[in-house]
Amino acid sequence: QVQLEESGPGLMQPSETLSLTCTVSGFSLTSNGVGWVRQPLGKGLVWMGTIWAGGSTNYNSAVQSRLSISRDTSKSQVFLKMNSLQPEDTGTYYCARHVKTTGAFDYWGQGVMVTVSS
Amino acid sequence: DTVLTQSPALAVSPGERVSISCRASEGVNSYMHWYQQKPGQQPKLLIYKASNLASGVPARFSGSGSGTDFTLTIDPVEADDTATYFCQQSWNDPTFGGGTKLELK
Repeated sequence: QVQLEESGPGLMQPSETLSLTCTVSGFSLTSNGVGWVRQPLGKGLVWMGTIWAGGSTNYNSAVQSRLSISRDTSKSQVFLKMNSLQPEDTGTYYCARHVKTTGAFDYWGQGVMVTVSS
Repeated sequence: DTVLTQSPALAVSPGERVSISCRASEGVNSYMHWYQQKPGQQPKLLIYKASNLASGVPARFSGSGSGTDFTLTIDPVEADDTATYFCQQSWNDPTFGGGTKLELK
């Protein structure tokens, strides 16, 4: 079955670079897109960016200058790197399968909580 | 960005019908999707492209609308439906509504 699992550090210092990994199973990264969505505690969802089946990427303009999404298809892994972290980057980060034809996110990981604090 | 506006909260009794609305700041055709998120869990896709039921979702859930106004309906509501419901558009770069918290009386 389709599964996604996020991993990464839980606590970061301001100005550091965040690195998260999304490991997927049950589907191929060369046939499906994977997106990252952030949710501040108790708040709504914000799309950050997506890497598509062909390897192209789209980013939210609000974080585009700080964000990079890449992948290793041989390991079924998608990576998020975001630099110049600030406390407002605190939240739960989800990876989700992003369906190209509809634009919906049909399967989600359980999320990883990231706190940015000195 | 396309802004999606949802009412913050609703309270209904089990067995009733509830409609949750989502209004887009600009037309999004039928590219509107609905998610359910329970406390401490990841979002779950309920409806895609306005009115299509996602796999495994009970037929009590339905969606309607096009353009700028969309509705998620639950009929009848069950106790397990206590959750926050988010809409999301994909006509432009994806954006989500602020969520509607559904509470049962």
